[in-house]
Amino acid sequence: SQKIEQNSEALNIQEGKTATLTCNYTNYSPAYLQWYRQDPGRGPVFLLLIRENEKEKRKERLKVTFDTTLKQSLFHITASQPADSATYLCALALYSSASKIIFGSGTRLSIRP
Amino acid sequence: DAGVIQSPRHEVTEMGQEVTLRCKPISGHDYLFWYRQTMMRGLELLIYFNNNVPIDDSGMPEDRFSAKMPNASFSTLKIQPSEPRDSAVYFCASSHRDGDQANYGYTFGSGTRLTVV
Repeated sequence: SQKIEQNSEALNIQEGKTATLTCNYTNYSPAYLQWYRQDPGRGPVFLLLIRENEKEKRKERLKVTFDTTLKQSLFHITASQPADSATYLCALALYSSASKIIFGSGTRLSIRP
Repeated sequence: DAGVIQSPRHEVTEMGQEVTLRCKPISGHDYLFWYRQTMMRGLELLIYFNNNVPIDDSGMPEDRFSAKMPNASFSTLKIQPSEPRDSAVYFCASSHRDGDQANYGYTFGSGTRLTVV
């Protein structure tokens, strides 16, 4: 069956450290993968996209990697800050319908001062 | 632009009643999506439209759910009759056409928290 799994429901990181979140998928062939941030009571907000032929993408303190052999994406936040505390969702866009994206269950990240 | 606008923000209704959720997408966006979010199941795609036409409704749980998009600036999701298991946060999202969607992602509304008692 098709599945998207994100590592542990919650991750606690000391401020200033690098937070690394994992997204694994099975039985999908995604055209691209996106990462979103969701704060309590709000809708998800788009952060970054990486295509299946790209290995790495960066945006300010964010870095995403994509390994189609391992069927895995890693999302890194360097020099983490308490304001980075939120739930982070990965989402796959399927080849069959690039307009349709499927979300993982999310990882709740807490950055402690 | 005010973003994707959903109404109401909160809805509490009794089992068996009809519920209508509303969404105004971002002007110029070609795609509109309805998602449902629960703790147990996460974000589930219910249905999406392209240029006001329903493309994929395979995520609509039952015939009690229906969605319409009469024009480019308005969509509704209706549940009739509602049941307690429909309690969730319902999100509407919109996006550019395929070529831009990859770069800009989806823009979500703030959601409607539905409670059916």
